[in-house]
Amino acid sequence: QLQLQESGPGLVKPSDTLSLTCTVSGDSISNSDSHWGWVRQPPGKGLEWIATIYHTGTTYYNASLKSRVALSVDASKGQFSLKLISVTAADTAVYYCGRHRFSINTFFVDYWGPGYLLTVSS
Amino acid sequence: SSILTQPPSVSVAPGETATITCGEDKIGRKSVHWYQQKTGQAPVLVVYDDRDRPSGIPERFSGSNYGNTATLTISRVDAGDEADYYCQVCEDGGRQWVFGGGTKLTVL
Repeated sequence: QLQLQESGPGLVKPSDTLSLTCTVSGDSISNSDSHWGWVRQPPGKGLEWIATIYHTGTTYYNASLKSRVALSVDASKGQFSLKLISVTAADTAVYYCGRHRFSINTFFVDYWGPGYLLTVSS
Repeated sequence: SSILTQPPSVSVAPGETATITCGEDKIGRKSVHWYQQKTGQAPVLVVYDDRDRPSGIPERFSGSNYGNTATLTISRVDAGDEADYYCQVCEDGGRQWVFGGGTKLTVL
């Protein structure tokens, strides 16, 4: 059974860099059928897609976040990571990692991590 | 980019049918996916590619998509179906995603 688990610092100061890691078990990150990525949810609000990555390094970023976001994959560790620079209070959210499945011209998330609350505060 | 319009709330009595819509101009030309999110939990995929169900999702959950409206239908609703429901599409060949604002389903 595929499982994902987010990890990170929990609290980040404004203007700092946010770094989160997702550890995958039960499937290989190099599986040709699988992409991986992140979705976030500010407290009390809806879902926002952040980015998607394939094990080859091909990435897709939300246009509104593209200038501040970077994804990377470490297949040897079964992990992929998110970096978000210059954070503000608006980046406070629950961050979900997940497996992003590709269908014809579309993606969806078929497996989600439990979520990780990251707070931006001084 | 797309704006997916969902009603903020839908209420239904137990045993009845809940209908949750997701609107956008010509959404019928895109594949729509639906997620259920219960309070304090991660979302769960309940319908993908307009009408397909992942394994483990009851047949009570069904989807359709035509014209300017995609619809998630939940038949024989029970208290366990209370949750927020989100629709989602992709644009630009999958390079951009959009989520709807979410609909809170209340079982009376």
